[in-house]
Amino acid sequence: SQQGEEDPQALSIQEGENATMNCSYKTSINNLQWYRQNSGRGLVHLILIRSNEREKHSGRLRVTLDTSKKSSSLLITASRAADTASYFCAARGSQGNLIFGKGTKLSVKP
Amino acid sequence: KAGVTQTPRYLIKTRGQQVTLSCSPISGHRSVSWYQQTPGQGLQFLFEYFSETQRNKGNFPGRFSGRQFSNSRSEMNVSTLELGDSALYLCASSLNPGQDYGYTFGSGTRLTVV
Repeated sequence: SQQGEEDPQALSIQEGENATMNCSYKTSINNLQWYRQNSGRGLVHLILIRSNEREKHSGRLRVTLDTSKKSSSLLITASRAADTASYFCAARGSQGNLIFGKGTKLSVKP
Repeated sequence: KAGVTQTPRYLIKTRGQQVTLSCSPISGHRSVSWYQQTPGQGLQFLFEYFSETQRNKGNFPGRFSGRQFSNSRSEMNVSTLELGDSALYLCASSLNPGQDYGYTFGSGTRLTVV
């Protein structure tokens, strides 16, 4: 079963705009991670936020975590055409394995 | 350092056959997880191995099995293939399981069952 559910399923923006993706999860977590996947290839780890953290930054990425609402968001600032990809959140629960959501497909138009 | 290597990259099999996929993790990584990705179901967790022991197993039938060797390389096997087994199979490695590490994924094996 899916632990994370991303919203929206698809997002289309212009280069230079910001992109925000949301993720909700079901059970208590140790950490929440975001990954990017380009066109059916392997996933690339972007950022990890621990359950006791509320916000984390990495370059143009900003992740927030609200454990009371069981939700997280990923913000990509000043998007580029190269950011076009699918983005997945993944929650690591108490058993340790990582459970992924269905992803948000981001399209950045030049 | 070398990334996660999955072989083969592409595979076409006939219904009823069996298949073995291989994954070599990053050197020093001892945990290997397998996922099945399909357009309809997304990324589904198959299993996780650490030190040659299966730590977790997803909700897949017994036709799906795996193992890990002493050098941390892992294989997964699917017997009696069905059309619905067509998918991208992804392997991910990490230093240790259940810790605050991200996974490093291989490029996947695309399996087509005809």
